[in-house]
Amino acid sequence: DQQVKQNSPSLSVQEGRISILNCDYTNSMFDYFLWYKKYPAEGPTFLISISSIKDKNEDGRFTVFLNKSAKHLSLHIVPSQPGDSAVYFCAASASNTGFQKLVFGTGTRLLVSP
Amino acid sequence: GAVVSQHPSRVICKSGTSVKIECRSLDFQATTMFWYRQFPKKSLMLMATSNEGSKATYEQGVEKDKFLINHASLTLSTLTVTSAHPEDSSFYICSARLGGYNSPLHFGNGTRLTVT
Repeated sequence: DQQVKQNSPSLSVQEGRISILNCDYTNSMFDYFLWYKKYPAEGPTFLISISSIKDKNEDGRFTVFLNKSAKHLSLHIVPSQPGDSAVYFCAASASNTGFQKLVFGTGTRLLVSP
Repeated sequence: GAVVSQHPSRVICKSGTSVKIECRSLDFQATTMFWYRQFPKKSLMLMATSNEGSKATYEQGVEKDKFLINHASLTLSTLTVTSAHPEDSSFYICSARLGGYNSPLHFGNGTRLTVT
């Protein structure tokens, strides 16, 4: 049972344009969400997070949007840069587990071409 | 810079042998560390939660006797894959929180284990 889903395995975007990565979740107990970026043979690197009390969080070129009613979140990268090419994972956790457990999606491979 | 260091980054071993992977928190104490496993083109799956000074908590379906976890100090957790089999070949990643309970997890660079 995949509680966190990233239905697009890959996304190609031109440099300078917007990249939109999507994530859906099924567990209504999730109330804290994170996005990680991962290069091959490396561990994930934290990008940005959002609590369920917000619907938007912005950090530089990265913005995460949360739609609780739809159980959907998205990561917007604008403008996209070739160095953003990586696999992006969304992850979710719940306060009722003390935020101890992170449940990851299957990832979306982003390719930003010059 | 990196806050979690993992070693080795890559290891090849023969079936039946044991392999130890180390995870260190750099410049901070981590009473809890987390071990994840990633299969090719799959999500990261939590294997176990390593607790300093006490037994690890394993996720359902993870064999505790096969994946031995020791968290002997506030900066070091080890995962030992015992009697390794080819199906144990995977990418193992540890993580820890630098801040409070709801702060993001920081991950090590992972260990690529290949069992021949």
